[in-house]
Amino acid sequence: KNQVEQSPQSLIILEGKNCTLQCNYTVSPFSNLRWYKQDTGRGPVSLTIMTFSENTKSNGRYTATLDADTKQSSLHITASQLSDSASYICVVSFPLTGNQFYFGTGTSLTVIP
Amino acid sequence: DAGVIQSPRHEVTEMGQEVTLRCKPISGHDYLFWYRQTMMRGLELLIYFNNNVPIDDSGMPEDRFSAKMPNASFSTLKIQPSEPRDSAVYFCASRTSGGHTDTQYFGPGTRLTVL
Repeated sequence: KNQVEQSPQSLIILEGKNCTLQCNYTVSPFSNLRWYKQDTGRGPVSLTIMTFSENTKSNGRYTATLDADTKQSSLHITASQLSDSASYICVVSFPLTGNQFYFGTGTSLTVIP
Repeated sequence: DAGVIQSPRHEVTEMGQEVTLRCKPISGHDYLFWYRQTMMRGLELLIYFNNNVPIDDSGMPEDRFSAKMPNASFSTLKIQPSEPRDSAVYFCASRTSGGHTDTQYFGPGTRLTVL
C-alpha cells in the first residue's frame, strides 16, 4: 500500500480559477513534506518544503498546508495560469536525515484558456 | 550554473544490452540521488550518495542495476543486462548538505526504452 496518496489523479480547470490538490500520508514519524511541480518532459522542481512542525508555506501563488494530526497536506494554487499545467507530486521524507522518501503518484493539472 | 546535467537524454536499446546513464551534479553539492519514474509506479528513489559514497541502495531493483560515483562531479547508473521492464525515465538529482530540508535539484532525465 502506497503510504502517500494524492487526489485527484487529474484535474482540469479554467485559467484564473483556484484549485486545491490533496495529499494524504501514513508515514510516521516523518522529517519533512515536499511538493514538486513537474512539467512534461522535465525533472521535478521543488515548490515548498515543510517540516512536521510547520502548518503552511507559500511560494508565490502556491500555498501548501500541513495537518500533522490528520496526516494531510494540500497545495492551493491561486489564480491559475496556463503555465501551471503540470504534474504535482507530494513527497514525504523520513527519518530525521530526510534522505528516505515516499512519493505520491502525482496529480496531473491542466489549465485551459 | 548549468544545473544537473544528464546524458543521454534519450536511449533506445535492445533487451540484453548494457545501458549506462550519466550524471553531473551541481558543483558544490555533496548529495547525489538516482530516481526512476514510470506511469505505473511514479517516482522511486534507487540510490543516493554522500561525498561520493553510496549511503542507501535499497531502492535498486536488482543486481542488474549498479551505480558508481568515482568523483564529486560524475556518477553513472548502469543496467546490465537491460530488460523491457526497465523502460522508464531516470532522473539524477543533487543537493548540498546544509540540512535535510535543502532543495534537491533534478536533471532533465534520461528516457530509456528497452525493446
